[in-house]
Amino acid sequence: DAGVTQSPTHLIKTRGQQVTLRCSPKSGHDTVSWYQQALGQGPQFIFQYYEEEERQRGNFPDRFSGHQFPNYSSELNVNALLLGDSALYLCASSFSGRSTDTQYFGPGTRLTVL
Amino acid sequence: GEDVEQSLFLSVREGDSSVINCTYTDSSSTYLYWYKQEPGAGLQLLTYIFSNMDMKQDQRLTVLLNKKDKHLSLRIADTQTGDSAIYFCAESPFYSSASKIIFGSGTRLSIRP
Repeated sequence: DAGVTQSPTHLIKTRGQQVTLRCSPKSGHDTVSWYQQALGQGPQFIFQYYEEEERQRGNFPDRFSGHQFPNYSSELNVNALLLGDSALYLCASSFSGRSTDTQYFGPGTRLTVL
Repeated sequence: GEDVEQSLFLSVREGDSSVINCTYTDSSSTYLYWYKQEPGAGLQLLTYIFSNMDMKQDQRLTVLLNKKDKHLSLRIADTQTGDSAIYFCAESPFYSSASKIIFGSGTRLSIRP
């Protein structure tokens, strides 16, 4: 049983560009959350998707958007990249049908903005 | 407000116990977690404790919660080189897939021979 997978592993972009990161949840999971982890910091919650809709959002600008597909996989899009967007982006999945379930994290995508 | 604070570094001798401390501000936090992150890896949930508990033990790990002082600690008995990692304290209002998780900045644990 595969866990949470993310692609790509690493990505280098330049300021002003747009980027799309992908996440496949653990088998049986229907909820996907995205976190940004800057160097030397703890992860910060970006948003969460359930039933193809954004259910909860953290304190991130509208440049950060997402999508969830019918197969529960998800994308994180960041427009007009800034140097400060350089970070490890973590995806976490969970199952909504069990309130006591936890979120399982993927290995992350390392984004570098030059 | 939501804030989780923890010390940045801890160095212990192999075989000794490690104690990592954390304080949080959100009194409505229902669940408190400890995550482990090794270099280049994602986050691994080590253990969690409900806010109505004082202590939880799981093999070499012991979690202590002082809800009055909003203080959480993680004790690792018989620390091994494989325990070298960054440990994150985290909290959420609900232990559910519907809840965001608030993380501290992490404590880097290094092991001396």
